[in-house]
Amino acid sequence: DAGVTQSPTHLIKTRGQQVTLRCSPISGHKSVSWYQQVLGQGPQFIFQYYEKEERGRGNFPDRFSARQFPNYSSELNVNALLLGDSALYLCASSLVVQQDGYTFGSGTRLTVV
Amino acid sequence: EDQVTQSPEALRLQEGESSSLNCSYTVSGLRGLFWYRQDPGKGPEFLFTLYSAGEEKEKERLKATLTKKESFLHITAPKPEDSATYLCAVQAGTGNQFYFGTGTSLTVIP
Repeated sequence: DAGVTQSPTHLIKTRGQQVTLRCSPISGHKSVSWYQQVLGQGPQFIFQYYEKEERGRGNFPDRFSARQFPNYSSELNVNALLLGDSALYLCASSLVVQQDGYTFGSGTRLTVV
Repeated sequence: EDQVTQSPEALRLQEGESSSLNCSYTVSGLRGLFWYRQDPGKGPEFLFTLYSAGEEKEKERLKATLTKKESFLHITAPKPEDSATYLCAVQAGTGNQFYFGTGTSLTVIP
């Protein structure tokens, strides 16, 4: 079974640019969550989506947005990139909204220069 | 404010030298405490969920325990392949998000 897949794996962007990160959940999983992990820190919650609806939002600015598609895949968009947005962006999928042991993807490493 | 604190930040062990990692939390309405393992450049890998004080779970050389204020991850006779960062996370209140600690970086020396 394929796990959670994220693309791209690495990305370099310039300050002020926009970026779109993609996530495909495990087959059958309907919930996707996004986390930001800055080097040396634990992951910080950004969004959760379930059945294409937003179910939770962390303390991130409006430059961050996300959506979930009918096939349950998801995109995270970040506008007006700042140097501080450099991080590993993790996607986690689960069957339902509340569940043990969400499965994480390997992440997208975003570097803003 | 909900908080999750892990200690120590880093731990170096000789192969076979048992030890414990600590995760203390101050949250309202704990619904679950989770342990994850994270290898460099990878996403966190689920290890355990604990729901109530007194609960214990084991997997190979790892054993997780939970009290009302903290959780311990005990590592018995570790091997070099146990080297990783171990993350603790909690779910609390009515929200669905995880609150993660900053992790403990474990290095096991052959």
